[in-house]
Amino acid sequence: EVHLMESGGGLVQPGGSRTLSCVASGFTFSDYEMHWVRQAPGKGLEWLSNITTGGIYTHYGDSVKGRFTISRDNAKNSLFLQMNSLRVEDTAVYYCVSGGQCSNGVCQTDASFHHWGQGTVVTVSS
Amino acid sequence: DIQMTQSPSTLSASLGDRVTITCRASQSLYTSLAWYQQKPGKAPKLLIYKASTLETGVPSRFSGSGSGTEFTLTINSLQPDDFATYYCQQYSTYSWTFGPGTKVDNK
Repeated sequence: EVHLMESGGGLVQPGGSRTLSCVASGFTFSDYEMHWVRQAPGKGLEWLSNITTGGIYTHYGDSVKGRFTISRDNAKNSLFLQMNSLRVEDTAVYYCVSGGQCSNGVCQTDASFHHWGQGTVVTVSS
Repeated sequence: DIQMTQSPSTLSASLGDRVTITCRASQSLYTSLAWYQQKPGKAPKLLIYKASTLETGVPSRFSGSGSGTEFTLTINSLQPDDFATYYCQQYSTYSWTFGPGTKVDNK
């Protein structure tokens, strides 16, 4: 069974930093692109960032570009999100999500989000 | 960036009703569209991908259709477990975008 477990959430002051972690199990982590998605209180879903299987390529949404950094450690089946210069509007539940499957450099056309973690809450407040 | 809209934003329905939610994209997605269901306090759950492919384990009363810029999610014979918020999502570019959501509540 696929399992994604986020950790690292908590209360952070505006301007501060926080690193979120996600440990994956139940699938070949290194074969999947991974993503972070967040949801502010009472709001919809916002895609934040993705990373390719080998960690070479990353992409970011406009709201976090230049402030957040995604990374992964395939040996430890782990995904990370380094968050800097945090703002009040970054307050949200942050989800670790599995994306498209790639093998030998060839990725499937289905890049939807099949598996989600339970989320970790980040609150940015003074 | 591709913009996504959904209609309606809220839908009141009764058990047994057939429910249809529409999602529109600002440019063609071909069939790179997914639908998710989310209940309060829970992570979203994938229902449909590639516009019309049912995710494993999802009841067959859920179906998706469409291509290009207009897509629909249909729930045949609404069940108690289906009251939730539904999101569409495009993945045709390296900037995934969700629709604003449609809340299905009990009439």
